[in-house]
Amino acid sequence: AQSVAQPEDQVNVAEGNPLTVKCTYSVSGNPYLFWYVQYPNRGLQFLLKYITGDNLVKGSYGFEAEFNKSQTSFHLKKPSALVSDSALYFCAVRGMDSSYKLIFGSGTRLLVRP
Amino acid sequence: DAGVTQSPTHLIKTRGQQVTLRCSPKSGHDTVSWYQQALGQGPQFIFQYYEEEERQRGNFPDRFSGHQFPNYSSELNVNALLLGDSALYLCASSLETRYNSPLHFGNGTRLTVT
Repeated sequence: AQSVAQPEDQVNVAEGNPLTVKCTYSVSGNPYLFWYVQYPNRGLQFLLKYITGDNLVKGSYGFEAEFNKSQTSFHLKKPSALVSDSALYFCAVRGMDSSYKLIFGSGTRLLVRP
Repeated sequence: DAGVTQSPTHLIKTRGQQVTLRCSPKSGHDTVSWYQQALGQGPQFIFQYYEEEERQRGNFPDRFSGHQFPNYSSELNVNALLLGDSALYLCASSLETRYNSPLHFGNGTRLTVT
């Protein structure tokens, strides 16, 4: 069965410090991986994706993610956190054999303190 | 460029009633997916519509049904509402020919069943 795990319900970081939001996945075949962010009372906004190629993917708002096939991980990172980055972050995977649906993790709340 | 629009934004229904939620995809998109996001959880795939047909369905009962119109807009219908159907319902659109392009989400409809 395909699944996504986000092991941390919440991540706390001080503004200006680097941040990491963790994601591991289980999928048959090569995964297509995505990160989305959700602000209160809003839908999900796309941050970045990994389809193939370079394991380090750069996305919107200074975020990047590193794909690690051996560890089946796709951690989201940012070198310097902003208070405005505080939101709910979702990792999602689309396996090659579940053509059209995204499987989301349970989400990680990021809190950046001033 | 209009994004994905959903209506209504909020809805309160009584157990046993029926509800219809509406979605207009982002301009140029031809595929619509629906997701259910319960409180504190990640979105769960309900189904996807393309060319006015349901082409993939998640693990939801037949009480959940949908429709896609020739202009690509879509409706989600839920019959015989249960308390557990209370959730944020998200519509997402994409372009079929760009398979790995990210989904564009609307802000959702918050359904409360009492």
